[in-house]
Amino acid sequence: QKEVEQNSGPLSVPEGAIASLNCTYSDRGSQSFFWYRQYSGKSPELIMSIYSNGDKEDGRFTAQLNKASQYVSLLIRDSQPSDSATYLCAVDSSYKLIFGSGTRLLVRP
Amino acid sequence: DVKVTQSSRYLVKRTGEKVFLECVQDMDHENMFWYRQDPGLGLRLIYFSYDVKMKEKGDIPEGYSVSREKKERFSLILESASTNQTSMYLCASYREQSSPLHFGNGTRLTVT
Repeated sequence: QKEVEQNSGPLSVPEGAIASLNCTYSDRGSQSFFWYRQYSGKSPELIMSIYSNGDKEDGRFTAQLNKASQYVSLLIRDSQPSDSATYLCAVDSSYKLIFGSGTRLLVRP
Repeated sequence: DVKVTQSSRYLVKRTGEKVFLECVQDMDHENMFWYRQDPGLGLRLIYFSYDVKMKEKGDIPEGYSVSREKKERFSLILESASTNQTSMYLCASYREQSSPLHFGNGTRLTVT
């Protein structure tokens, strides 16, 4: 069974700080990696996708991928209270996406 | 924008009922998925389909079946609902393997 692991949190950071969310995966053949944000009672929404080693930046969000270490991370700069949500890491494996159980982020005003 | 529409936002059914959850996508996507999401367990794949009339079991198919008669529509069927199927059900689709999943708004099903 291929797995995606995330720390469940909650990760609590003050407003304006950098939030760092981490994810490890077991399938060495995975090529596509995604971060989703999910507010309570809502469905997941895509924040970032990353396909090659290194960093990918989009506004306040940076995704980092290290395939050798089987590690994906998401950095949120200048965190805002509206960023408080659960962040899901997803990794492709055999034509389907495997999701981690999510990290709950709390941004304190 | 891709739109994935689930027919019901909330459903309450009785134990033993046959339940249909409907999902429609408007972007001609080949691949469609049904997940359920429970606190502490994350998103778990029930079934997926990569083409019309094709279906594949996911990680937790027991107690469920699916139907895909048309490309845009993927239905999840609970043959005889049980209380342990109370959950949030999420439908999703994507065009190809490297593409991100697009989710519907979810159906919160309660079985009493």
